[in-house]
Formats: sequence, C-alpha cells, structure tokens
Amino acid sequence: GENVEQHPSTLSVQEGDSAVIKCTYSDSASNYFPWYKQELGKRPQLIIDIRSNVGEKKDQRIAVTLNKTAKHFSLHITETQPEDSAVYFCAVWNNDMRFGAGTRLTVKP
Amino acid sequence: EAQVTQNPRYLITVTGKKLTVTCSQNMNHEYMSWYRQDPGLGLRQIYYSMNVEVTDKGDVPEGYKVSRKEKRNFPLILESPSPNQTSLYFCASSPQGRNEQFFGPGTRLTVL
Repeated sequence: GENVEQHPSTLSVQEGDSAVIKCTYSDSASNYFPWYKQELGKRPQLIIDIRSNVGEKKDQRIAVTLNKTAKHFSLHITETQPEDSAVYFCAVWNNDMRFGAGTRLTVKP
Repeated sequence: EAQVTQNPRYLITVTGKKLTVTCSQNMNHEYMSWYRQDPGLGLRQIYYSMNVEVTDKGDVPEGYKVSRKEKRNFPLILESPSPNQTSLYFCASSPQGRNEQFFGPGTRLTVL
C-alpha cells in the first residue's frame, strides 16, 4: 500500500516567518493530495488540496506545491500567526486515503 | 446543518465487552471511513466504504467490524475490545473518496 512520510514532526517559528512542511509518497498512481489542520481537541479540517494535474495551488497565506516526478508535496504557510499553531497532516489518495504522521507547528508571538 | 455525527463522544469500557460507535452523515455522501488517531502515528484508516453494502479494509482493520446498510450510517463495531484499542476515533465522509473528507467530532475510547 501507499507509504506517506511527513517531515518535520515538530516545527517552531516566530510570528511572521514562513513555515514549510513536506510529505513524500511511494505510489506514482496517487492522484489527490489534501492537507488538514487539527487544532487542539478539535477534528481535522481541510485547509488546501491539490490534484495530480496541477503543480501549485495558493489560497491567501497557504500554498501547496506538488512534484510528481520526485513524489513529494509541500505545504507553505507565509506570514505565520499564533492562530496557525496546530497539528498539520498531509494525506494521499490512491484508492484509499493515507495520512502522514503529522507536524506540530508552534508559532511564537 | 451539514454534518457528521458520532456517538458516544466518550466511552470507558472493559476488555471483551462488545461496543458500537455510531456515525451518521446528512450530506448524501457516498464515501465514509473510520480512522483511529494515536500520538505520533497520525490518522490510520480502519475501514472505508465507497457506497452502500461496499466496505474495504484500511491499514488497521484487525479487531474491528463495520457495516453500511444505508448511505447515511457507518457504525464501527468492536466485538471484543482490548486495551490496545484505546484511542481517539474519527468517522469521516466525502462525496467520493478523492475529495475533501468531513470529519465527525471524534470518540475517545478507553478500554480497561
């Protein structure tokens, strides 16, 4: 089955800095790549997603880039704010959904 | 209001006592799935269902059963719970699998 690796497991940045989280996957047939944000005690919620026919997608301060050749995709958050502090999960769809282990992002004011 | 509901939200039980966690969605979604979340392991898929009467094993199906007799409901059954099934469980649904998944509020299960 699909193997999804997510790095780093923890990330601490100063408010206003950028944060980058990277995920790699193993099966080139995977074709949908969402990112979820989970605040403490809450359910995961989609923040951005990308499909395999697109290389980059942006939504305000959040962007996702996909490199199909290298089989990796990344989440970019610019101008980070304390409310961006949460656990972020990447996921990969290939007949079922596989999630990465998560990255705990802390934004220090 | 479009939503995914789970019951119960919290459950403490003992080893071997059968239990069912219910999941219901009101969005007419075809795809539903169950995940367990453990520290450092992310979300691991237990079972998923592409449509009524169609279910498939995910990453960690051992010790669990599911059924999909109607589109809106996807209960998770633990026939003989064990302490290693202590976890936070999420149900999710989406229009089809390759789409945004909408998660329920979670069920925190403790098996003593």
